[in-house]
Amino acid sequence: DAKTTQPNSMESNEEEPVHLPCNHSTISGTDYIHWYRQLPSQGPEYVIHGLTSNVNNRMASLAIAEDRKSSTLILHRATLRDAAVYYCILSGGGADGLTFGKGTHLIIQP
Amino acid sequence: SQTIHQWPATLVQPVGSPLSLECTVEGTSNPNLYWYRQAAGRGLQLLFYSVGIGQISSEVPQNLSASRPQDRQFILSSKKLLLSDSGFYLCAWTSGSRTDTQYFGPGTRLTVL
Repeated sequence: DAKTTQPNSMESNEEEPVHLPCNHSTISGTDYIHWYRQLPSQGPEYVIHGLTSNVNNRMASLAIAEDRKSSTLILHRATLRDAAVYYCILSGGGADGLTFGKGTHLIIQP
Repeated sequence: SQTIHQWPATLVQPVGSPLSLECTVEGTSNPNLYWYRQAAGRGLQLLFYSVGIGQISSEVPQNLSASRPQDRQFILSSKKLLLSDSGFYLCAWTSGSRTDTQYFGPGTRLTVL
């Protein structure tokens, strides 16, 4: 799986939007961009995924650059429960699992 | 709906003792199954994955082994634990489609003393 680069940590205020960036300059044409998050002492939780077009679901939005070399996870209105480590992962769709990096530690201030 | 179970939730074992962690999935058939480990303060590391009964692929050479005796059961084992085996062990499943989400279990926190 291709490598991704994320900031180590970000801080935001409650009820404000949060934009979490991810760089993946070596992405291949068939790689999907996945986002997971991990709350303390829990397993990772799927957030969203996309290929080329921007995607929205009940949890977040995913904005993908036109050249696909970067993407941004958008939490429209952060709550304290959104404090977690967010992982941006590229997957070519094989059965061989996901490669997790260090992710971005999102801190939400009340 | 599908659910994934892991047990035990926590475990404290002495160095040199054996290990058996179990993961079961309900509500789906022929899932791909995965074992990950997260050492303290570190990221998740894929240990093993399985695409079917009796089929195990190892990602990292170590003193751990995995088995899949039934379609929805995945077991992680060790004959002799090391201090470095301490960590948070997570089981996950997918249905195997190309864009499919991985669903993770609640995890087992293992401490080797």
